[in-house]
Amino acid sequence: DIQMTQSPSSLSASVRDRVTITCRASQSISSYLNWYQQKPGKAPKLLIYAASSLHIGVPSRFSGSGSGTDFTLTISSLQPEDFATYYCQQSYNNPWTFGQGTKVEIK
Amino acid sequence: QVQLQESGPGLVKPSETLSLTCTVSGGSISSHYWNWIRQPPGKGLEWIGDIYYSGSTNYNPSLTGRVTISVDTSKNQFSLKLSSVTAADTAIYYCAKWAQQLGYYFDLWGRGTLVTVSS
Repeated sequence: DIQMTQSPSSLSASVRDRVTITCRASQSISSYLNWYQQKPGKAPKLLIYAASSLHIGVPSRFSGSGSGTDFTLTISSLQPEDFATYYCQQSYNNPWTFGQGTKVEIK
Repeated sequence: QVQLQESGPGLVKPSETLSLTCTVSGGSISSHYWNWIRQPPGKGLEWIGDIYYSGSTNYNPSLTGRVTISVDTSKNQFSLKLSSVTAADTAIYYCAKWAQQLGYYFDLWGRGTLVTVSS
């Protein structure tokens, strides 16, 4: 199985801060990397697919980059509704696997 | 628009079989791959397996032997059975649609249903 490791596991930030979350794969996954946002009590929602493509309806302050083994999710200006847990997920090899999550909290 | 809804018992006894159904509304199940994903309380996400409308399946090797996913196209539903459950199978179970357009990803999720394994 491909292991996905996110860092940090949690972070505290203020509204309008720039936030960066990283995800590392245990082997090269080309650009087969997706990002999801999950709020408490809710299902995950797709933000970014194929490493850098913004899903329909997702605000442009979210962006993704990377290829191979190292990937980044950036929120350019954190908004109150962005406080949530973020997961990366690889779609290169079955079984599909997720990172452990990064919780973004209010400072 | 397409929506997914999980249904099934919220409490299952140890060693018994967990059974859940996902109903697809607003669209046909006869395309795409349909998935089950679970999340133990306070923990991360684990992919369980998927099924194509034709009936072909893929399962997570960590659960192979205990999991069966089936589809009923006449009812626009697909189902999960997980046998010999233990407390470690307590989780929120989500059904999700797999998209294959300019990439591969879960683009639509159900709300999830909590299943507790306890006597």
